Amino acid sequence: AQSVSQHNHHVILSEAASLELGCNYSYGGTVNLFWYVQYPGQHLQLLLKYFSGDPLVKGIKGFEAEFIKSKFSFNLRKPSVQWSDTAEYFCAVNRGDTGRRALTFGSGTRLQVQP
Amino acid sequence: DGGITQSPKYLFRKEGQNVTLSCEQNLNHDAMYWYRQDPGQGLRLIYYSQIVNDFQKGDIAEGYSVSREKKESFPLTVTSAQKNPTAFYLCASSASESETQYFGPGTRLLVL
Repeated sequence: AQSVSQHNHHVILSEAASLELGCNYSYGGTVNLFWYVQYPGQHLQLLLKYFSGDPLVKGIKGFEAEFIKSKFSFNLRKPSVQWSDTAEYFCAVNRGDTGRRALTFGSGTRLQVQP
Repeated sequence: DGGITQSPKYLFRKEGQNVTLSCEQNLNHDAMYWYRQDPGQGLRLIYYSQIVNDFQKGDIAEGYSVSREKKESFPLTVTSAQKNPTAFYLCASSASESETQYFGPGTRLLVL
Protein backbone atom coordinates (compact mmCIF):
# COMPACT_ATOMS: atom_id res chain seq x y z
CA ALA A 1 0.00 0.00 0.00
CA GLN A 2 1.16 3.48 -0.74
CA SER A 3 1.93 5.98 2.01
CA VAL A 4 2.65 9.70 2.16
CA SER A 5 4.97 11.37 4.65
CA GLN A 6 4.99 15.00 5.64
CA HIS A 7 7.87 15.47 8.02
CA ASN A 8 7.11 19.03 9.11
CA HIS A 9 4.12 18.91 11.44
CA HIS A 10 4.15 22.54 12.55
CA VAL A 11 6.03 25.37 10.88
CA ILE A 12 6.21 28.94 12.17
CA LEU A 13 7.50 31.67 9.85
CA SER A 14 7.58 35.42 9.75
CA GLU A 15 5.99 37.27 6.85
CA ALA A 16 8.22 37.48 3.75
CA ALA A 17 10.15 34.35 4.74
CA SER A 18 10.52 31.57 2.20
CA LEU A 19 8.60 28.34 2.62
CA GLU A 20 9.36 24.75 1.72
CA LEU A 21 7.18 21.89 2.96
CA GLY A 22 8.37 18.36 2.39
CA CYS A 23 6.31 15.51 0.96
CA ASN A 24 7.53 12.00 0.20
CA TYR A 25 5.48 9.04 -1.05
CA SER A 26 6.18 5.35 -1.15
CA TYR A 27 4.66 4.01 -4.40
CA GLY A 28 7.12 3.21 -7.22
CA GLY A 29 4.72 3.29 -10.17
CA THR A 30 2.92 6.11 -11.93
CA VAL A 31 1.45 8.63 -9.50
CA ASN A 32 -0.68 11.74 -9.50
CA LEU A 33 0.34 14.27 -6.86
CA PHE A 34 -1.62 17.00 -5.11
CA TRP A 35 -1.29 19.68 -2.49
CA TYR A 36 -4.47 20.73 -0.72
CA VAL A 37 -4.86 23.61 1.74
CA GLN A 38 -7.35 24.04 4.57
CA TYR A 39 -7.68 27.65 5.76
CA PRO A 40 -9.25 28.12 9.21
CA GLY A 41 -12.99 27.48 8.97
CA GLN A 42 -12.95 26.82 5.23
CA HIS A 43 -13.25 23.87 2.83
CA LEU A 44 -10.25 21.81 1.82
CA GLN A 45 -9.11 23.41 -1.45
CA LEU A 46 -6.81 22.27 -4.23
CA LEU A 47 -3.58 24.27 -4.29
CA LEU A 48 -1.87 22.53 -7.21
CA LYS A 49 -1.52 19.15 -8.88
CA TYR A 50 0.89 17.14 -11.03
CA PHE A 51 -0.19 14.44 -13.46
CA SER A 52 2.58 14.48 -16.07
CA GLY A 53 4.84 16.82 -18.07
CA ASP A 54 6.88 19.65 -16.55
CA PRO A 55 7.83 18.53 -13.03
CA LEU A 56 7.68 22.11 -11.76
CA VAL A 57 4.04 23.02 -11.32
CA LYS A 58 2.57 26.33 -10.35
CA GLY A 59 -0.59 26.71 -8.33
CA ILE A 60 -2.74 29.40 -6.86
CA LYS A 61 -1.53 32.22 -4.59
CA GLY A 62 2.10 32.01 -5.72
CA PHE A 63 2.70 28.42 -4.61
CA GLU A 64 4.71 25.94 -6.66
CA ALA A 65 5.85 22.35 -6.24
CA GLU A 66 8.54 20.23 -7.83
CA PHE A 67 8.15 16.53 -8.58
CA ILE A 68 11.46 14.69 -8.23
CA LYS A 69 10.79 11.11 -9.28
CA SER A 70 14.17 9.77 -8.13
CA LYS A 71 13.52 11.07 -4.62
CA PHE A 72 9.80 10.18 -4.53
CA SER A 73 9.21 13.78 -3.47
CA PHE A 74 6.78 16.58 -4.23
CA ASN A 75 7.83 19.52 -2.06
CA LEU A 76 5.74 22.68 -1.85
CA ARG A 77 7.43 26.08 -2.05
CA LYS A 78 6.60 29.75 -1.84
CA PRO A 79 9.29 32.46 -2.04
CA SER A 80 7.60 34.91 0.33
CA VAL A 81 4.77 33.93 2.68
CA GLN A 82 1.98 36.19 3.87
CA TRP A 83 -0.05 36.15 7.06
CA SER A 84 -3.00 34.93 4.97
CA ASP A 85 -1.09 31.72 4.17
CA THR A 86 -1.69 30.53 7.72
CA ALA A 87 -3.43 27.19 7.19
CA GLU A 88 -2.96 23.44 7.22
CA TYR A 89 -1.36 21.92 4.13
CA PHE A 90 -1.87 18.35 2.96
CA CYS A 91 0.08 16.41 0.38
CA ALA A 92 -1.87 13.63 -1.37
CA VAL A 93 -1.16 10.90 -3.89
CA ASN A 94 -3.10 8.48 -5.98
CA ARG A 95 -1.90 5.81 -8.30
CA GLY A 96 -2.01 6.81 -11.95
CA ASP A 97 -1.96 3.25 -13.23
CA THR A 98 -5.07 1.77 -11.60
CA GLY A 99 -8.76 2.58 -11.54
CA ARG A 100 -8.83 3.61 -7.89
CA ARG A 101 -8.86 7.40 -7.74
CA ALA A 102 -9.12 7.68 -3.98
CA LEU A 103 -6.34 9.71 -2.46
CA THR A 104 -3.80 8.80 0.20
CA PHE A 105 -3.06 11.85 2.34
CA GLY A 106 -0.12 12.83 4.45
CA SER A 107 -0.69 13.82 8.06
CA GLY A 108 -0.60 17.52 7.25
CA THR A 109 1.60 20.49 8.10
CA ARG A 110 0.23 23.36 10.11
CA LEU A 111 1.76 26.64 8.91
CA GLN A 112 1.60 29.67 11.15
CA VAL A 113 2.77 32.97 9.64
CA GLN A 114 3.47 35.73 12.10
CA PRO A 115 2.98 39.34 10.99
CA ASP B 1 -24.16 27.48 -7.76
CA GLY B 2 -22.25 24.20 -8.14
CA GLY B 3 -20.64 22.36 -5.31
CA ILE B 4 -20.79 19.79 -2.56
CA THR B 5 -23.01 20.17 0.46
CA GLN B 6 -22.79 18.23 3.69
CA SER B 7 -25.27 18.22 6.51
CA PRO B 8 -25.51 18.65 9.37
CA LYS B 9 -22.51 20.79 10.27
CA TYR B 10 -22.45 19.25 13.77
CA LEU B 11 -23.92 15.92 14.80
CA PHE B 12 -24.19 14.32 18.21
CA ARG B 13 -24.39 10.58 18.71
CA LYS B 14 -25.48 8.66 21.75
CA GLU B 15 -23.98 5.31 22.70
CA GLY B 16 -25.41 2.49 20.59
CA GLN B 17 -26.99 4.83 18.08
CA ASN B 18 -26.57 4.84 14.31
CA VAL B 19 -26.30 8.25 12.65
CA THR B 20 -26.30 9.21 8.99
CA LEU B 21 -24.26 12.02 7.42
CA SER B 22 -25.53 13.55 4.21
CA CYS B 23 -23.44 14.41 1.13
CA GLU B 24 -24.93 15.90 -2.03
CA GLN B 25 -23.18 17.17 -5.15
CA ASN B 26 -24.50 18.98 -8.21
CA LEU B 27 -21.27 18.83 -10.18
CA ASN B 28 -22.45 15.81 -12.22
CA HIS B 29 -19.44 13.85 -10.93
CA ASP B 30 -19.43 10.06 -11.18
CA ALA B 31 -17.10 9.36 -8.25
CA MET B 32 -17.71 10.21 -4.60
CA TYR B 33 -15.66 9.62 -1.46
CA TRP B 34 -15.83 9.74 2.33
CA TYR B 35 -12.80 10.62 4.43
CA ARG B 36 -12.29 10.90 8.15
CA GLN B 37 -9.98 13.63 9.52
CA ASP B 38 -8.38 13.29 12.94
CA PRO B 39 -5.82 15.72 14.40
CA GLY B 40 -2.28 14.82 13.38
CA GLN B 41 -3.41 11.98 11.10
CA GLY B 42 -4.51 13.73 7.94
CA LEU B 43 -7.44 12.30 6.02
CA ARG B 44 -8.17 8.60 5.83
CA LEU B 45 -10.47 6.98 3.26
CA ILE B 46 -13.60 5.28 4.59
CA TYR B 47 -15.56 4.37 1.43
CA TYR B 48 -15.65 5.41 -2.19
CA SER B 49 -17.99 4.98 -5.13
CA GLN B 50 -16.95 5.26 -8.76
CA ILE B 51 -20.47 4.91 -10.15
CA VAL B 52 -24.10 4.67 -9.04
CA ASN B 53 -25.02 1.41 -7.26
CA ASP B 54 -21.39 0.52 -6.70
CA PHE B 55 -18.99 1.28 -3.83
CA GLN B 56 -15.79 -0.07 -2.30
CA LYS B 57 -14.29 -0.11 1.16
CA GLY B 58 -11.46 2.23 1.86
CA ASP B 59 -8.74 1.92 4.47
CA ILE B 60 -10.94 2.28 7.59
CA ALA B 61 -14.40 1.00 6.60
CA GLU B 62 -15.16 -0.97 9.79
CA GLY B 63 -18.16 0.46 11.64
CA TYR B 64 -19.38 2.46 8.63
CA SER B 65 -21.82 1.81 5.79
CA VAL B 66 -22.78 3.71 2.63
CA SER B 67 -25.24 3.64 -0.25
CA ARG B 68 -25.14 5.15 -3.73
CA GLU B 69 -28.66 5.00 -5.13
CA LYS B 70 -28.41 8.35 -6.92
CA LYS B 71 -25.50 9.97 -8.74
CA GLU B 72 -25.70 13.14 -6.67
CA SER B 73 -25.97 11.54 -3.22
CA PHE B 74 -23.60 9.42 -1.11
CA PRO B 75 -24.79 9.17 2.52
CA LEU B 76 -22.54 7.71 5.21
CA THR B 77 -23.93 5.85 8.23
CA VAL B 78 -21.81 5.64 11.35
CA THR B 79 -22.99 2.50 13.12
CA SER B 80 -22.81 1.54 16.77
CA ALA B 81 -19.96 -0.80 15.81
CA GLN B 82 -17.69 2.21 15.28
CA LYS B 83 -16.15 2.58 18.73
CA ASN B 84 -14.33 5.84 18.16
CA PRO B 85 -16.57 7.92 15.91
CA THR B 86 -15.59 11.38 17.13
CA ALA B 87 -13.96 13.04 14.11
CA PHE B 88 -14.41 15.47 11.24
CA TYR B 89 -15.97 13.77 8.21
CA LEU B 90 -15.30 15.06 4.70
CA CYS B 91 -17.10 14.11 1.51
CA ALA B 92 -15.51 14.62 -1.91
CA SER B 93 -16.32 14.03 -5.56
CA SER B 94 -14.47 13.84 -8.85
CA ALA B 95 -15.44 13.63 -12.51
CA SER B 96 -14.93 10.33 -14.25
CA GLU B 97 -12.09 11.58 -16.45
CA SER B 98 -10.32 13.76 -13.92
CA GLU B 99 -8.32 12.89 -10.83
CA THR B 100 -9.00 16.16 -9.01
CA GLN B 101 -11.29 15.78 -5.99
CA TYR B 102 -13.45 18.59 -4.69
CA PHE B 103 -14.39 18.64 -1.03
CA GLY B 104 -17.46 19.60 0.95
CA PRO B 105 -17.42 21.69 4.15
CA GLY B 106 -17.46 18.67 6.46
CA THR B 107 -19.52 17.35 9.37
CA ARG B 108 -18.14 17.21 12.89
CA LEU B 109 -19.44 14.18 14.80
CA LEU B 110 -19.35 14.19 18.58
CA VAL B 111 -20.31 11.44 21.00
CA LEU B 112 -22.48 12.26 24.03
